[in-house]
Amino acid sequence: QVQLVESGGGEVQPGMSLRLSCAASGFTFHSYAVHWVRRAPGRGLEWVAVISYDGSSEGYADSVRGRFSISRDNSKNTVHLQMNGLRADDTAMYYCARGTESEWLLIDFWGQGVRVSVSS
Amino acid sequence: DIVMTQSPASLAVSLGERATINCKSSQSVFFRTSDKDHLAWYQQKPGHPPKLLLYWASIRESGVPGRFSGSGSGTDFALTISSLQAEDVAVYFCQQYYTTPITFGQGTRLEI
Repeated sequence: QVQLVESGGGEVQPGMSLRLSCAASGFTFHSYAVHWVRRAPGRGLEWVAVISYDGSSEGYADSVRGRFSISRDNSKNTVHLQMNGLRADDTAMYYCARGTESEWLLIDFWGQGVRVSVSS
Repeated sequence: DIVMTQSPASLAVSLGERATINCKSSQSVFFRTSDKDHLAWYQQKPGHPPKLLLYWASIRESGVPGRFSGSGSGTDFALTISSLQAEDVAVYFCQQYYTTPITFGQGTRLEI
């Protein structure tokens, strides 16, 4: 069955970095775009970034552009989110999510999420 | 950015009754080339990731019960649960996938 398993979260101080990973299984990974979406405590869902099936295209929310970078390794069925210059308002549950094969901006499956806390 | 506005923010409905959640986009999410509205609905229960319920505004994802339906086009959409069940207690989000940045409504908390 389809699985997306996030890792790499934790508690860090403002200005520090974290690298989130998403390990995929149960589907043809290299055919699908992958997104990161976050939900801060008491808030709604916020899209963070997307990478196309082959890694040739990326997109970012304005709130993270220039600080976060998404990448993928299709040989290892893995997507990474490098988060630099973390701020308190980056505190959230981060979800790795799959775009559909035909419509890459439509998300049809989500991982369980990984928690990121930024606090001094 | 396309702003998605949901109403109400919270909703209490009796078991077996109908629940309707509204979603309005700041610009049309209808794509003429595909003749489709790029609008999805998700359900999120506490401690769980979101789950896709509907896409193209009204198409149910595989396995989603028939009591969930979607309607609307252009900028105005609705999610209807025809007969509320206890397991439907959750937060519901609409989302446009017409363009990046993908944007979500702020969520509607549905309670019994």
